[in-house]
Amino acid sequence: EEQLVESGGGLVQPGGSLRLSCAASGFALSNYYMHWVRQAPGKGLVWVSRINVDGSATNYADSVKDRFTISRDNAKNTLYLQMNNVRAEDTAVYFCGRGPNTIFLWGQGTMVTVSS
Amino acid sequence: QSVLTQPPAASGTPGQRVTISCSGSRFNIGSNSVHWYQHLPGTAPKLIMFSSSQRPSGIPDRFSGSKSGTSASLAISRLQSEDEADYYCATWDDSLNGVIFGGGTKLTVL
Repeated sequence: EEQLVESGGGLVQPGGSLRLSCAASGFALSNYYMHWVRQAPGKGLVWVSRINVDGSATNYADSVKDRFTISRDNAKNTLYLQMNNVRAEDTAVYFCGRGPNTIFLWGQGTMVTVSS
Repeated sequence: QSVLTQPPAASGTPGQRVTISCSGSRFNIGSNSVHWYQHLPGTAPKLIMFSSSQRPSGIPDRFSGSKSGTSASLAISRLQSEDEADYYCATWDDSLNGVIFGGGTKLTVL
């Protein structure tokens, strides 16, 4: 069964850092573009970032540009999101997803709470 | 405020047909395919329509999609209680160079 499982969420102070992971199983991550999407409490889905198959090209939403970094380790079948200088407005469930532009497969999400 | 505009809410009774609209611009819907997702709180979003009108395997034919110019729509016929969920349209935006989602439409089955 093809599956994505996020981890690494938790409570972090404003200005702090956190790294999210997304472990893929049942398929080779190296064949796919990957995304991060988030959903703040009571709000809608918001795209965060995308990475191409070998990690040589990335795209970011303006709200996270220069603070977040998407990366991947195809040998470990794992996608990452390094979150630096986090803000209260980064509080959300973070989902990873598979696909070039269409996200065909989603993980269940991991909650990130930014609070002092 | 989302770049793609959806009505915040829609409703219908079992057996009815409902339509959810998604309005954008020439930079997004006007030049790229539209995708639709169904989302229940606490679960993973589910792709129910891609390339504007294609259903993934396992999605019933009660769901249909269309696109015209800078707008798209999702129609759900023979509405069932299990269709109650949040629905999001999404596409690539050539000016933002990223994926954009609509604000979401909460569908209530009365």
